[in-house]
Formats: sequence, structure tokens, C-alpha cells
Amino acid sequence: GAGVSQSPSNKVTEKGKDVELRCDPISGHTALYWYRQRLGQGLEFLIYFQGNSAPDKSGLPSDRFSAERTGESVSTLTIQRTQQEDSAVYLCASSDRTSGLGELFFGEGSRLTVL
Amino acid sequence: GQNIDQPTEMTATEGAIVQINCTYQTSGFNGLFWYQQHAGEAPTFLSYNVLDGLEEKGRFSSFLSRSKGYSYLLLKELQMKDSASYLCAVRNTGGFKTIFGAGTRLFVKA
Repeated sequence: GAGVSQSPSNKVTEKGKDVELRCDPISGHTALYWYRQRLGQGLEFLIYFQGNSAPDKSGLPSDRFSAERTGESVSTLTIQRTQQEDSAVYLCASSDRTSGLGELFFGEGSRLTVL
Repeated sequence: GQNIDQPTEMTATEGAIVQINCTYQTSGFNGLFWYQQHAGEAPTFLSYNVLDGLEEKGRFSSFLSRSKGYSYLLLKELQMKDSASYLCAVRNTGGFKTIFGAGTRLFVKA
């Protein structure tokens, strides 16, 4: 697609439920990143993919968080047994490592609210 | 480990010049980026430095000193629409992991 697409744009859930957040990167971008941004704060690195592999999962806050990528395209971030501290905007970005500067192109984010 | 530091907030006057500093420590360096983020929106790319020196792009310039682990973003002829957060980000060697600082909120006043 023309840009990075994320869904849902907004998600309200109850504590203890599981949620899935989806990211469609720019077509052809091999690298895909997930960040978390709490209100008024900076971007917290969660995980990134090169192709379908995740070389660095060090940013995932706990084992309740997992992510996968298939077909070197769509990625899903899953949060199990959500907690109130998981409330944040989850930003996905993709980049093209093969040409240009490799800057990140961001989606509009998925705003998660855990009640 | 990695650490990126930027001032939390800055205020400047319309038409003036402002410099936003960023210092970083990283285990492997493969470029420094500046992004702009307006409230409620996604970050957008502003500038990139991988070699020492100044990169100029219209009203925005960015400087890098790798030996000092230091960068700054210079905004000239400030406009009200420049009120936003400015994020400094460092990309690592090898895997291209990119880490962001907490961002600097810039308020431009008339």
C-alpha cells in the first residue's frame, strides 16, 4: 500500500483479555518495527523484524507480549491477559534497508485502553 | 547498553532560531535520525546524519559529532506549526535496531 496501515485504530478492552494489533507495512519494506508510546512519553522499542525473523526481541516488556510476521509483510502484535499498564499507543513502522536512508515510516498507531 | 538524552521541553518565539540537543551512547552506531511528531499524530522523518558535520534541509539542519556522541537539530525562522515533539533516534550497526530518545516538546509562541 501507499503507507503503513495499522488496525484497529482504537481498542478498548477489559483487564485480562487478549488483544491483537495488526500492521501492514509499505510494500517491499523488509524491516518492520513495533514501538509503544505512553501518553506524553517517547517511543519505547518493543521488537523489530528483518524479513520474517525477529533478531531482537529485547524490548518486549513481558512474556505476555509476542509478535510475528508472515510473508515478509503483515505483522501481528499480541498482548495476552492485558493489564492497565499496557494502555498506550502502539506504533508500527517499516523501512527499506536496500535503498535510501532506511528511515522509518510510521503508521497512525493503535490506541489501546485497558479498563 | 544504549542511552539517548534530550531536553524535555523548550520554548521559542516565532521567527527565531532554536537548537535541540541530543547526546547518545550506543554499542554500535549506524546513523542518527530526527523525527517530528505533532500531538496525536505519527512521527515523520526530518533528517539523517551518519558522518560528522552539518546536513541542511531548508529551515531545518542537523549536526553530528560521532566522537562526542552528540547531535543537534537547528530550526530557523520558527513558525507556529513547528510546535511539536522532536525525537532523536539512533540506529545500530548489524541489525538496524533503532532506539528513540524521549523527545523534546517545542512550544513556539507568538
